[in-house]
Amino acid sequence: NAGVMQNPRHLVRRRGQEARLRCSPMKGHSHVYWYRQLPEEGLKFMVYLQKENIIDESGMPKERFSAEFPKEGPSILRIQQVVRGDSAAYFCASSAFTGDTGELFFGEGSRLTVL
Amino acid sequence: QKEVEQNSGPLSVPEGAIASLNCTYSDRGSQSFFWYRQYSGKSPELIMSIYSNGDKEDGRFTAQLNKASQYVSLLIRDSQPSDSATYLCAVTLGGGSNYKLTFGKGTLLTVNP
Repeated sequence: NAGVMQNPRHLVRRRGQEARLRCSPMKGHSHVYWYRQLPEEGLKFMVYLQKENIIDESGMPKERFSAEFPKEGPSILRIQQVVRGDSAAYFCASSAFTGDTGELFFGEGSRLTVL
Repeated sequence: QKEVEQNSGPLSVPEGAIASLNCTYSDRGSQSFFWYRQYSGKSPELIMSIYSNGDKEDGRFTAQLNKASQYVSLLIRDSQPSDSATYLCAVTLGGGSNYKLTFGKGTLLTVNP
């Protein structure tokens, strides 16, 4: 859905560097969801955020990954000390309510390549 | 462990034929079911949602749900080459966790002109 904006679309990092992925939700949406799609794998839920709050981070790796959705500005998914296994497409979705219908509309994704 | 299983394909059909995509899920508590289409290198796009047993039709697409068999399918009538994509089945437990979709790995559909 063109309304959810993600950047960068493509990001290349060397092992050990940091990756920051940004997601601007659709206008009027205050709920953001991050999913990861590893090569040859299905999309996996990572984290659900509302403004200034992490609601559910049950899908986030315990180390090196963090997410935030500040009062002002986009949601940020941060990956520290990246490893090759982090290479994936990271998709963001947003909703006005708590995904009440489950019908999520995704942004175009950020494709991370770790060399 | 909650799982959603799909035949990875590729499923190849001639233009104008009916494409049938199948999906099974393991969690009997699943309440909501979705089909997403994903073109190569693009984002998943919601094409169908279904919440109760039976059929739901939208244009050339029909979703079928059988909760007793834990089975959901998507039929695409009059398949077009533009339908060539990976089709992702997704389910949720409903209620307050409707944002937490569990996806299958997808079925690659190729429609041959």
